[in-house]
Amino acid sequence: EAGVAQSPRYKIIEKRQSVAFWCNPISGHATLYWYQQILGQGPKLLIQFQNNGVVDDSQLPKDRFSAERLKGVDSTLKIQPAKLEDSAVYLCASSLDRVSYGYTFGSGTRLTVV
Amino acid sequence: DQQVKQNSPSLSVQEGRISILNCDYTNSMFDYFLWYKKYPAEGPTFLISISSIKDKNEDGRFTVFLNKSAKHLSLHIVPSQPGDSAVYFCAASDSTGANNLFFGTGTRLTVIP
Repeated sequence: EAGVAQSPRYKIIEKRQSVAFWCNPISGHATLYWYQQILGQGPKLLIQFQNNGVVDDSQLPKDRFSAERLKGVDSTLKIQPAKLEDSAVYLCASSLDRVSYGYTFGSGTRLTVV
Repeated sequence: DQQVKQNSPSLSVQEGRISILNCDYTNSMFDYFLWYKKYPAEGPTFLISISSIKDKNEDGRFTVFLNKSAKHLSLHIVPSQPGDSAVYFCAASDSTGANNLFFGTGTRLTVIP
């Protein structure tokens, strides 16, 4: 089974610029998550989708972050404008449904804001 | 507020010996616990889990112990192998909520050949 695909792997941008990350979950996985992992910390949930609906976005800084999951498959996460503190690895994960705990992570996108 | 804590940032163990990684949590609503393993430049990989109705779960060389009264869990790896060298994250979930995982800060395990 193919894993969770993410792109790009690395991105360097200047502060106040915008950036977008893409995620393709495992085929058939209804639930998709975006996590932010700052260096030295554990992953922190940004947003959870169930099919194409948002289940939880309470930790998403909505003034600058947005995410969508069109047609309940691929997802994009956007930051506009970026701040220095947004430098982190952005991890996408998917699971069959909300009760499947061992969900699968992608390799992540490492964002550096300078 | 860090609801899941891993107080040891690193651990070094000789090959063949036991590795014990510890994790504490504060939220009494957590009822499912997981361990993830992460190699550099890769995403975390699910390793083993335990439900709050159990106090032990084994999978090959990996055993997770849960002490609900102490809000503490541990991962035992026996025997440790050099390929086990990675960062290990403890995670917890409240199944009555949105099924989100709360992660600890990780422990870097180094197994010395």
